[in-house]
Amino acid sequence: AQKITQTQPGMFVQEKEAVTLDCTYDTSDPSYGLFWYKQPSSGEMIFLIYQGSYDQQNATEGRYSLNFQKARKSANLVISASQLGDSAMYFCAMSLKTGANNLFFGTGTRLTVIP
Amino acid sequence: KAGVTQTPRYLIKTRGQQVTLSCSPISGHRSVSWYQQTPGQGLQFLFEYFSETQRNKGNFPGRFSGRQFSNSRSEMNVSTLELGDSALYLCASSQASGNTGELFFGEGSRLTVL
Repeated sequence: AQKITQTQPGMFVQEKEAVTLDCTYDTSDPSYGLFWYKQPSSGEMIFLIYQGSYDQQNATEGRYSLNFQKARKSANLVISASQLGDSAMYFCAMSLKTGANNLFFGTGTRLTVIP
Repeated sequence: KAGVTQTPRYLIKTRGQQVTLSCSPISGHRSVSWYQQTPGQGLQFLFEYFSETQRNKGNFPGRFSGRQFSNSRSEMNVSTLELGDSALYLCASSQASGNTGELFFGEGSRLTVL
């Protein structure tokens, strides 16, 4: 069975500092994708970054990078130079190459950026 | 480019009633997926439609159904509402089916069942 685990219910970070949000996953499928989404209080899920299971390099998108450690089955999100607008819920998700857009989500981490 | 539009944004129903939620995907996107988000169960996949065909279905009872129209707009219906159906229902669209990358989500429809 597929599972995504986010062990940090809440995190605090000082403005302009970097923060790492943890995510571990479990699947026996060799082909999968890993996503991070941000959900502000408005409810919309905002795509941040994607990593494919066969990608050799860690994905980066601006201030976001994904620390992909395949052997440990972890896909941590690193946010550099935190901004007040980064305060939100962050969800890690996994997809399988099954031919459908079915994402398995973790329980989320609430990030609060302190001025 | 307009984003994913979901209507209504908020609604209140009573037990036993039915509800229909609408999702208009980004222009050109043919895949629409639906998710339910609750405090207790988190985000769970409901179903996905691609080119008017249901591609995959999550583990939800038959009271939950959906459809997709030729213009890719999608609706989901919940019949005989229960208190536990209170949730944020999120719709996501993408150009293709098959986990090829980014899903674009709408702001959701928040359903309260009394």
